[in-house]
Amino acid sequence: QSVLTQPPSVSGAPGQRVTISCTGSSTNIGARYGVHWYQQLPGTAPKLLIYSNTNRPSGVPDRFSGSKSGTSGSLVITGLQAEDDGVYYCQSYDPSLTESVFGGGTRLTVL
Amino acid sequence: EVQLLESGGGLVQPGGSLRLSCAASGLSLSTNAMSWVRQAPGKGPEWVSVIATNGYSTYYADSAKGRFTISRDTSKNTLYLQMNSLRAEDTATYYCAKFLEWPDYYFEYWGQGTLVAVSS
Repeated sequence: QSVLTQPPSVSGAPGQRVTISCTGSSTNIGARYGVHWYQQLPGTAPKLLIYSNTNRPSGVPDRFSGSKSGTSGSLVITGLQAEDDGVYYCQSYDPSLTESVFGGGTRLTVL
Repeated sequence: EVQLLESGGGLVQPGGSLRLSCAASGLSLSTNAMSWVRQAPGKGPEWVSVIATNGYSTYYADSAKGRFTISRDTSKNTLYLQMNSLRAEDTATYYCAKFLEWPDYYFEYWGQGTLVAVSS
């Protein structure tokens, strides 16, 4: 059971928009700690996609955006492309556990 | 360009030991916090341990406390994870990652991972 809760799967056709949610609690996302998102394509390591709620590392397309509200964060992908097919994980920090915590992951299928 | 290259994984019997290494290039371990994160087959990532920028503050997940030791050699720019008393549930791909510890906590760069399998 993951500390952060994500939907197991989402899907969309090429060109569409999808949203992936990440629900935490008052001790992690609801505190001052940010929500971070990672993309894991088949057979590869996770890659940082969004950090501190809304920021994209250099090289990440602006089709990917993030937000945070209360105890939840969201990842939005617009203009879906076939290469977006993979698993997306959210992550935050929980000082009550003194640990970085992850969501269980959301499998994105591009139809 | 930052590159992190893990090695040292393999098949080990329950109760055995392994030492994982992570050779870093494009960043200096003496000025960056580093972490180990593992991922069991078909599961999400799980944070294991972190060594702070100062090199002597270390932190562990409950699952690793007392069994795993994180360390670094700045002269070799290499991160290590000594794993003792291994259990079946430690089976996972182990990734080293550059860890941002201020003002927020996240994993900026990841290596390609090394697979640890604990089985008799």
